[in-house]
This record gives sequence, structure tokens and C-alpha cells, in this order.
Amino acid sequence: EAGVAQSPRYKIIEKRQSVAFWCNPISGHATLYWYQQILGQGPKLLIQFQNNGVVDDSQLPKDRFSAERLKGVDSTLKIQPAKLEDSAVYLCASSPGDRTSLLTEAFFGQGTRLTVV
Amino acid sequence: ELKVEQNPLFLSMQEEKNYTIYCNYSTTSDRLYWYRQDPGKSLESLFVLLSNGAVKQEGRLMASLDTKARLSTLHITAAVHDLSATYFCAVDTLYYQLIWGAGTKLIIKP
Repeated sequence: EAGVAQSPRYKIIEKRQSVAFWCNPISGHATLYWYQQILGQGPKLLIQFQNNGVVDDSQLPKDRFSAERLKGVDSTLKIQPAKLEDSAVYLCASSPGDRTSLLTEAFFGQGTRLTVV
Repeated sequence: ELKVEQNPLFLSMQEEKNYTIYCNYSTTSDRLYWYRQDPGKSLESLFVLLSNGAVKQEGRLMASLDTKARLSTLHITAAVHDLSATYFCAVDTLYYQLIWGAGTKLIIKP
């Protein structure tokens, strides 16, 4: 089966510009995650969707970051305006299950490497 | 506060040696995952542990889960250079959220 697709793979922008990332999860997966991973650190959850509803966005900097999941399938993550500290890899992941399922293994896309200069 | 602690955070070892990475967590859970990340790459799922006493093995790696002790181990047997990577554990809480460890960077020297 096809994996999690993300685009673009790389992006360089100047601070105060805006940027958007796109994710297409594995078909049929109910849960979608966006993570931020700074070099040398573990992944930090930004937002978790269950179908098209938000489960957790407690660590999403809502003054500059926004995310949506279209019709419970594709998702976009936007940063506006970007700061230097937003330089990181943005990982999208999906998992099959919902709250009652044991199928919670997350499958990751290749990520988007963002550099803010 | 929900915490997942991995140790060691950095491990340099010789080939053919055995070693264990530990993952302690502070919340009630019976689901734990191990992932591998190569430099510049994404995260790859290694093991899914879904119950107390679960043990999974793949080649030279073996993972186990003790939910009563809130501890998972990733054991490396007769390490080879190809296993050099960063290994993460992630705990699935009862609220259906993944809490991640900081990762263990493993370097295996020939």
C-alpha cells in the first residue's frame, strides 16, 4: 500500500514569510498527526486529527501556525509569519485506528525540511 | 505530567557487543512503540508492543514490555554497524495520544 505522502521535501523561506505543507495519509487511516522535529531532538506533536476533528493542538503555536484536514483525508499545515526558530523537519504521520481500536501504530511520511533565513 | 524517559541518550559501542536501551514511562499504558530514525530520514516503525509481557524480535533487535513496571527494553545482540541510528520509544496513553522519548543515539563502531 502507498505510504504517507508529504510535499514539498525541502523549503527555504525568509523570516516573516508564509509557508504551507501538504500531507496525504495512508488511505483509510482515521488519525493524522503533524510533528515538528528540531535537529537532535525527538518529535514534538503539533496537532492530532481524528478524522476531520482536532484531538490535540495544545502545543500548536496558534498565533502563527494553523492546520486543517480536508474531508478527513488530506491535511495542510501553515506557518504565517515564519520565525527563525521554526527551522525544523515537519513530519506527517497517520494511524489506522480510533479511540476504540488497537490499531494505533503511526506511519510517517518523509518529512519537509524547512529552513527559515 | 506524562513523561517518557529513555536511557542512555547516547551510546557508542563496538560491533559484536550486546546492549540494552531502556524506556520508562509515567502513565498507565499497555501500548508502546519503538521507532528507528537514520540521519536525515523519517521515522520507521520497528516494534508494536500491545500487552504486558509482549516480546518482539527482529534480527538482532528484541523489544519487551512490562506494563506493571512501566518499562520497555530494546535489546541489541551482537551489534553490527548497520544498526547505527537513533531509536525512539513512544507510549500510547489511555487518552489515545503518543508521548515520545527523547531518543537514544546509537553509534556502532567496527
